[in-house]
This record gives sequence, C-alpha cells and structure tokens, in this order.
Amino acid sequence: GQQLNQSPQSMFIQEGEDVSMNCTSSSIFNTWLWYKQDPGEGPVLLIALYKAGELTSNGRLTAQFGITRKDSFLNISASIPSDVGIYFCAGFSNAGGTSYGKLTFGQGTILTVHP
Amino acid sequence: NAGVTQTPKFRILKIGQSMTLQCAQDMNHNYMYWYRQDPGMGLKLIYYSVGAGITDKGEVPNGYNVSRSTTEDFPLRLELAAPSQTSVYFCASSYSGSTWNEQFFGPGTRLTVL
Repeated sequence: GQQLNQSPQSMFIQEGEDVSMNCTSSSIFNTWLWYKQDPGEGPVLLIALYKAGELTSNGRLTAQFGITRKDSFLNISASIPSDVGIYFCAGFSNAGGTSYGKLTFGQGTILTVHP
Repeated sequence: NAGVTQTPKFRILKIGQSMTLQCAQDMNHNYMYWYRQDPGMGLKLIYYSVGAGITDKGEVPNGYNVSRSTTEDFPLRLELAAPSQTSVYFCASSYSGSTWNEQFFGPGTRLTVL
C-alpha cells in the first residue's frame, strides 16, 4: 500500500525555537493534512492542503503542499510548551482508483519543548 | 456538541473473548472510520462507512467487524481477541463531499489482550 515517510521521528527543542518537519511519499497525493495528538487524546486537525504549491497558516503553524505533490512540510514558529505532542501528516491519493475514505498516515513526529 | 465519543476508555480482554467498542457522533456526519494506533506507528484504517448501511474494509480489517445501522453510531466488534489486537482504537467522522478527509477523532479506547 501507499506509505508516507515522516521525519524527524522526534525533536527536542527549547521554548522559542522554530520547528520544521516533513512528510514524503514515492507516489503523488491529492490532499495533505497535518494533525496533532496530545497525550491520551485523539488527533486534532491542524491544517488541510488541497492544491500543489499551496501554503497555509494557522496561527504559528504554516504548512505547504509540495509542488511535486509527493511531499509536505509543517513549520511551527516560536514554540511554546503546549506545542508538545505527536504531529502526524496524512494524505489521500486517488491513484489506482482508491475510493474516498482512505487516508494514509505518517508515523508521527514526537515534539518535546523544554521551557 | 459532544463530537465523537467512544466507550470504554480502557479494557483488558483475555485471549478468545469478544467485545464491542462503541462510537457515536452528534455532528450528523455521513462518513465514519475506525483506526488502530500501535506504539511508534501512524494510524491504520480498519473499516469505514460512508453512510448508514454501507461499510467497507480498510487496510487492516482482519479480526474485526462493523455495522452502521444509524448515522450516529458505528460500533467495532472483536469476535476472538488475540494479543496482536492490543492497541489504541480511534473512531473518527467527517462530512461527505470535498472535505471528507478533515476527520474529527474521538478520545480513543486502549485495549489490552492478555
């Protein structure tokens, strides 16, 4: 099946630093999404991207849909302690007639922010 | 709105036992999903439904069954629990149409099979 490779696996940063993480695939995706999961909770949608090259912000978060449609990036500026959690990329590809409903998730990036 | 609710939050099963994980949403979403999350892994789709009476297999359906008799409810059934089914299970829902992949997740059910 389709796979998304998310990196880095984990990050340890100081409060105030900027963070970058990315997600890549060997195949083209039509939609990219970024979710955050707090400990003991379900994922929450942060940003959805629908067009190649699209750059979208949500507060201190900025995500981009790669121009090749095979990657996406998430940046967090001026990190704060509540940014701690696991960040997942997810994508949808209709290649091969994949039906609606089937999102593919990356393995996640664990973010730790030291005060 | 309560959003997506899941019960129970935690459960320990013995090998061979059966159980049903409950999921309900009050957002009038047509689409509902069941995922499992194993440590250090992303979410894997077990089953999904695009409306009452319609279900389809996801990536890892073996050992599970679902039904969708109403728009609001989407229970997941484990018939013969196995240690490989130890995981955290998340239910999600979304609108149909162009934003179907903007999914809203429940808080999860942590299942241990011993």
